[in-house]
Amino acid sequence: DIQMTQSPSFLSASVGDRVTINCKASQNINKYLDWYQQKHGEAPKLLIYNTNNLQTGIPSRFSGSGSGTDYTLTISSLQPEDVATYFCLQHSSRPRTFGGGTKLELK
Amino acid sequence: EVQLQQSGPEVGRPGSSVKISCKASGYTFTDYVMNWVKQSPGQGLEWIGWIDPEYGSTDYAEKFKKKATLTADTSSNTAYIQLSSLTSEDTATYFCARSGITGWFAYWGQGTLVTVSS
Repeated sequence: DIQMTQSPSFLSASVGDRVTINCKASQNINKYLDWYQQKHGEAPKLLIYNTNNLQTGIPSRFSGSGSGTDYTLTISSLQPEDVATYFCLQHSSRPRTFGGGTKLELK
Repeated sequence: EVQLQQSGPEVGRPGSSVKISCKASGYTFTDYVMNWVKQSPGQGLEWIGWIDPEYGSTDYAEKFKKKATLTADTSSNTAYIQLSSLTSEDTATYFCARSGITGWFAYWGQGTLVTVSS
């Protein structure tokens, strides 16, 4: 199975900050990497699919990049409503595997 | 509008089984597979498997092959997961999520909490 190592596990930032979250795969996942946002008590929501494609309705302050084994989610200017836990998911090979999550809070 | 509506919370005794449903609407049920994902309390996410409602074919993560059974009823556009031989480790929230056979999870159900308790 492909292991997804997500960092940091916890992140505290201020409104307006640029925030980056990373996922490292144990092998090349060929950009088949998605990012999800999960607010407390809610289902995850798709933000970015296949590394850098913004899901419909998601604000443009969210972006994704990466290749090979290393991927990044960037929030260009943090907003209060972005407080959530963020997960990456690889769908390059079965079984699909998730990163461990990054809990993002406001400073 | 695509919607995945899951059944309500379940309490199961150790050793018993529970069955959760996920009713799909707003799209052609047989055009996509339905995945199931486990989220243990305060933990991350684990992919359990998917079912292709058109053919009834399934794919399970190795860890869940003896734990979960996925089925689908095309007459009611509903997918099901049955969890058997319940233990405390099965206490979790279970989500259904739509995708292609490979691909991202664009739509999710609201989640169903399963509590294993005697």
